[in-house]
Amino acid sequence: DQQVKQNSPSLSVQEGRISILNCDYTNSMFDYFLWYKKYPAEGPTFLISISSIKDKNEDGRFTVFLNKSAKHLSLHIVPSQPGDSAVYFCAANPGDDKIIFGKGTRLHILP
Amino acid sequence: DSGVTQTPKHLITATGQRVTLRCSPRSGDLSVYWYQQSLDQGLQFLIQYYNGEERAKGNILERFSAQQFPDLHSELNLSSLELGDSALYFCASSDSRDLAYNEQFFGPGTRLTVL
Repeated sequence: DQQVKQNSPSLSVQEGRISILNCDYTNSMFDYFLWYKKYPAEGPTFLISISSIKDKNEDGRFTVFLNKSAKHLSLHIVPSQPGDSAVYFCAANPGDDKIIFGKGTRLHILP
Repeated sequence: DSGVTQTPKHLITATGQRVTLRCSPRSGDLSVYWYQQSLDQGLQFLIQYYNGEERAKGNILERFSAQQFPDLHSELNLSSLELGDSALYFCASSDSRDLAYNEQFFGPGTRLTVL
């Protein structure tokens, strides 16, 4: 039973446009959320996080939005650049010593 | 470069065999985490060690075991291997005992193929 769901396996976006990656979770007790980015042949790297006490966190071109009532978060990348082509993992921490990852969304930035 | 190293990069073995994957955490990090990423699956947390002691356990099979040594490197032992154990195995480290709100740094992974 997937507690963190990324329903889009892949997404293609034109360079310069906005990329929106979505993530849903099932457990309202999750209190911290993270996005990781992964290039081929490399391990995931931390991108941005958000605590459940916030609804938005911004870091440069990356913004994460959290909608607790809908149990939904999204990652916005504006503007999208070729180097953003990667797999993006949404993850949730329920406040204990585990992180639960989604299956990932492969983002393709088209020239 | 995250500072976390994993060896080997690739491993090909046969069913029923046993292998050992090795991880060296970032300098100063006391926590080591192991994850498995199977085809079309997200990262599944296996186990965490903190300063030599097992700290948290996830979906780790009984055929799998891990340890963390005094120099803080960690090994993941996989035995009686099955075809379904073919996956990418990632190690991550952090400077904290508790995962909550603390960033993990991932190694490049070991790709295990069981034939």
